[in-house]
Amino acid sequence: GDSVTQMEGPVTLSEEAFLTINCTYTATGYPSLFWYVQYPGEGLQLLLKATKADDKGSNKGFEATYRKETTSFHLEKGSVQVSDSAVYFCALGGWLSGGSNYKLTFGKGTLLTVNP
Amino acid sequence: GAVVSQHPSWVICKSGTSVKIECRSLDFQATTMFWYRQFPKQSLMLMATSNEGSKATYEQGVEKDKFLINHASLTLSTLTVTSAHPEDSSFYICSARASGSSSYEQYFGPGTRLTVT
Repeated sequence: GDSVTQMEGPVTLSEEAFLTINCTYTATGYPSLFWYVQYPGEGLQLLLKATKADDKGSNKGFEATYRKETTSFHLEKGSVQVSDSAVYFCALGGWLSGGSNYKLTFGKGTLLTVNP
Repeated sequence: GAVVSQHPSWVICKSGTSVKIECRSLDFQATTMFWYRQFPKQSLMLMATSNEGSKATYEQGVEKDKFLINHASLTLSTLTVTSAHPEDSSFYICSARASGSSSYEQYFGPGTRLTVT
């Protein structure tokens, strides 16, 4: 079945450091790929997405490129801020057999802490 | 923006009792709602998908008689954990997809922490 493997945390960085959180996936067909972010006490929010190979998703300075050849969707940000401290989830999405419902499969999440 | 609430945010119950968790879409109509379970340091695992007015579709390995899901309206879905046991202790998260939105657009609630003693 479909699965997502992401870098285990926690990750601790200083403000303005470069961030990479690795994510690889296994899937049949042609899934869409997502990064979600969860701030303390809040629900998961969609951060960015890519729906086909070589697409680059970007939002709030974060980027990730859908690499089919390496089955990867690594999250990067050039200069992190304290406000970026959160849990980040990589996910893939696809239709369940029969096409009746769309399913998201998540990685375990990576806790990022950014210190001033 | 689209907001999903869950109630309660945390609950403690005794083994053998049942507990109900509510999931509401506050500012949009949700034709589809999803229930996830998350163990510590684990990923979110989809438990079931429910479409308004229809029976929920459960993932393999999820006991439908234990985890009762009711999606009675376009803004409310409930998850009832029946005859709860300590192994049911977990973090339960719901999400909702708005009518007419893209298939992947799910809005997540903040989660409910269930502890069974």
